[in-house]
Amino acid sequence: SQKIEQNSEALNIQEGKTATLTCNYTNYSPAYLQWYRQDPGRGPVFLLLIRENEKEKRKERLKVTFDTTLKQSLFHITASQPADSATYLCALEGSGYSTLTFGKGTMLLVSP
Amino acid sequence: NAGVTQTPKFRILKIGQSMTLQCTQDMNHNYMYWYRQDPGMGLKLIYYSVGAGITDKGEVPNGYNVSRSTTEDFPLRLELAAPSQTSVYFCASSYVSSGGAGETQYFGPGTRLLVL
Repeated sequence: SQKIEQNSEALNIQEGKTATLTCNYTNYSPAYLQWYRQDPGRGPVFLLLIRENEKEKRKERLKVTFDTTLKQSLFHITASQPADSATYLCALEGSGYSTLTFGKGTMLLVSP
Repeated sequence: NAGVTQTPKFRILKIGQSMTLQCTQDMNHNYMYWYRQDPGMGLKLIYYSVGAGITDKGEVPNGYNVSRSTTEDFPLRLELAAPSQTSVYFCASSYVSSGGAGETQYFGPGTRLLVL
């Protein structure tokens, strides 16, 4: 069955460092991969989308890579700030479906 | 734009009661979705709609019903509430062009439901 794995343990880093979050998947051939941010008590907010034929996508301090051979996406936040503390969800979309399958998310804690 | 709005924010139900979770979007999006999120778990798709009058099941549809009579509204109905339906429910919407995909989903603030 399809499976999406994100680190269940929280990632603790110091302010200014680069945070790297991982999303691995099996039994899936996604056409798109999206990353969302979720703050406690709130709905997810879209951050970045990357297509299967793209290796890397950037937006300000955010960078996403997508390796369809390894079946893995990495999400990087450079120069991290305490305000970046949140749970980050990866979501996969199959070709032509327009529905997303979400991972469980990884909590990021950035200390001052 | 208010975006995606959901009511109520919080509700306690007794086992066997029924209720409707309301969801409205003002972005003229054609696709709408209902998810549930249990603690430490990812979002699970309950139902979705690709336009007024068209709905389809997601991963966990049992115990729920939906309807989509207008573009703006997508209510989720719980009949005979059970403790297993205790969760946070999120509504989302997106605009998907014909033959398109890979579109951003916009989420509402969620409804926290407790079934006792």
